[in-house]
Amino acid sequence: EVQLAESGGGLIQPGGSLRLSCAASGFTISENYMHWVRQAPGKGLDWVSLIYSGDNAGSYYADSVRGRFTISRDSSKNTLYLQMSKLRAEDTAVYFCARMPPINDAFDFWGQGTMVTVSS
Amino acid sequence: QSALTQPASVSGSPGQSITISCTGTSTDVGNYNLVSWYRQHPGRAPKLMIYEDTKRPSGVSNRFSGSKSGNTASLTISGLQAEDEADYYCCSYAGSNTYVFGTGTKVTVL
Repeated sequence: EVQLAESGGGLIQPGGSLRLSCAASGFTISENYMHWVRQAPGKGLDWVSLIYSGDNAGSYYADSVRGRFTISRDSSKNTLYLQMSKLRAEDTAVYFCARMPPINDAFDFWGQGTMVTVSS
Repeated sequence: QSALTQPASVSGSPGQSITISCTGTSTDVGNYNLVSWYRQHPGRAPKLMIYEDTKRPSGVSNRFSGSKSGNTASLTISGLQAEDEADYYCCSYAGSNTYVFGTGTKVTVL
């Protein structure tokens, strides 16, 4: 059974850093495109970042987070990460990881999300 | 990376059909056959309902169908049921290895 479980969220002060994790089971993350998507409280979905499948996988970011967030994966742990730095109040959101199989370019499995609150 | 435009709300009675629009531009919706649709119940993760404009994943009811004309994609829900009451989001590949979601539509079953 495919499962994604995010962790690492919490309350962080503006300017701080946080690393989110997404542990996958039932499939191999390095064989899929993996994404982070966020949702601010009461708001819509907002695409954040993508890492492609395979070795030397390219990573890409929304303009709002480029230069502050870094996506990565550890194939040995089958885990996806999002390193967030220089956090701002507007980064406050539930962060979801999602799988995108290369064959259909859609997010077919999602985790339940982890809440990040940026506040002093 | 401007969000795709969806109506804020759509409603219908049980058994009726409703359609949700998703309007983008010639650089996203209109340029790729890569629009997907997601249903999200409160406090839950989104669920894939349609991908590649018109395809339905295994296990999704055939009451859900997708279409596209130019820069506007649409999701039609026929035979509306109480369980369809949720938020719905479209998403499109936007080029340069980026994706963009729609603003979201709240569906109410009257």
